[in-house]
Amino acid sequence: TQLLEQSPQFLSIQEGENLTVYCNSSSVFSSLQWYRQEPGEGPVLLVTVVTGGEVKKLKRLTFQFGDARKDSSLHITAAQPGDTGLYLCAGALGDYKLSFGAGTTVTVRA
Amino acid sequence: NAGVTQTPKFRILKIGQSMTLQCTQDMNHNYMYWYRQDPGMGLKLIYYSVGAGITDKGEVPNGYNVSRSTTEDFPLRLELAAPSQTSVYFCATMVTGNTEAFFGQGTRLTVV
Repeated sequence: TQLLEQSPQFLSIQEGENLTVYCNSSSVFSSLQWYRQEPGEGPVLLVTVVTGGEVKKLKRLTFQFGDARKDSSLHITAAQPGDTGLYLCAGALGDYKLSFGAGTTVTVRA
Repeated sequence: NAGVTQTPKFRILKIGQSMTLQCTQDMNHNYMYWYRQDPGMGLKLIYYSVGAGITDKGEVPNGYNVSRSTTEDFPLRLELAAPSQTSVYFCATMVTGNTEAFFGQGTRLTVV
C-alpha cells in the first residue's frame, strides 16, 4: 500500500490547457516535495513545501500544501509539450527518509 | 561536478546470476539510497545509508545487499537474480538537514 496516493494516474491534455495533479495521504508530513521525471532520467526536484496552507509558484506551476500537511496539489497553467513527464510527490519521514507516491504521467499534445 | 553516477545503464541477467550495481557521488553527501521503480508503483526504498560504515534496510530489501566503505560509493549487490528483480534501479543522495534527494540516471535491469 502507498502512503501517498496520487491522482489521476494518467493525464493527457492539449497544449494550452490547464491541469491539476493531486497527492493525498492520511499521514502528516513535515514537508512534501514534487519531482518531475523524464524518460531515461532520474527524478528532479521541482519544489519543497513545508508550512500548512503554503502556496509556491514556479513560473506556470503552482504548488499547494494542505492546511493539515497531509495533501498537496500541483497546478500547471497553459501546459506546454515540455511539461510532459512523470510527476512524483514525496513526503518526508523524519530527517532523511522520503516516501514516494506512484506518480502521475502527464502528456501534453502539441 | 558529476553528481550521482550509476553504472551500468542497462543490463540483462540470467536467473541465478549475480551482479553489482555501482553508485558513486561527488557531492560529499552523507545520506545515500537505493530505490527500485516499477510501472505504476512509484519508488520503493531498498536500502539506505546515513554515513560510511552504516547501512539499513528499507521497504523491499530481500534479495539485495549493500555496503558503504566510503562516503562516495554505495554499491548494490544482487545475489541469485530472479525475474521479480527486473526493474529500474535508482541511487540517490541527500545532504544532512535537507530532504532534497539527488538521483542518478538509473540502471535498467532485466532478469530472464
